[in-house]
Amino acid sequence: KAGVTQTPRYLIKTRGQQVTLSCSPISGHRSVSWYQQTPGQGLQFLFEYFSETQRNKGNFPGRFSGRQFSNSRSEMNVSTLELGDSALYLCASARSYNEQFFGPGTRLTVL
Amino acid sequence: QKEVEQDPGPLSVPEGAIVSLNCTYSNSAFQYFMWYRQYSRKGPELLMYTYSSGNKEDGRFTAQVDKSSKYISLFIRDSQPSDSATYLCAMSEGNTGKLIFGQGTTLQVKP
Repeated sequence: KAGVTQTPRYLIKTRGQQVTLSCSPISGHRSVSWYQQTPGQGLQFLFEYFSETQRNKGNFPGRFSGRQFSNSRSEMNVSTLELGDSALYLCASARSYNEQFFGPGTRLTVL
Repeated sequence: QKEVEQDPGPLSVPEGAIVSLNCTYSNSAFQYFMWYRQYSRKGPELLMYTYSSGNKEDGRFTAQVDKSSKYISLFIRDSQPSDSATYLCAMSEGNTGKLIFGQGTTLQVKP
């Protein structure tokens, strides 16, 4: 069974730009969650989608948004990038809620 | 104070040793407890998933949850150099899809 895939794996952007990251969950999984990982703050929850609906949201500014498509694939978008947005962005999928399986992540560098 | 506390280490042990990794938490509503292993520049890999209190064993790994003390542990028997990684505890209140992570403990197993 294929695991969670994320594209692109690496991304370099400049301040003020926007970025879109993509996640394809494990087949049959309907829940997709997004996390930000930094050396200082660790892994922090961004939001979770289930059947195209956002079920839960973390404490991040509105510049961070996401969506989920009918095939369970998900995208997250960050607008007006700041230097502090440099991080590893991880996507995780689950059949229902908590037993989450992570993808390899997208490493975003903001210059 | 963080909801989940985990000693970042690093923890260095000789090959074959028994490793004990721990997390404490403050939110008594947490019901689901997980341990992830993360190798450098990779996504977290789910090792153990438990619900409520008790023990769970899988090969060389044993997870323990003590909800009365708000304390969870992961034991690794017969540790191998390939176990060298960062170990993250994570927990969830219930059916939310939102995991709260500890900071992670870096483990090095020396041959």
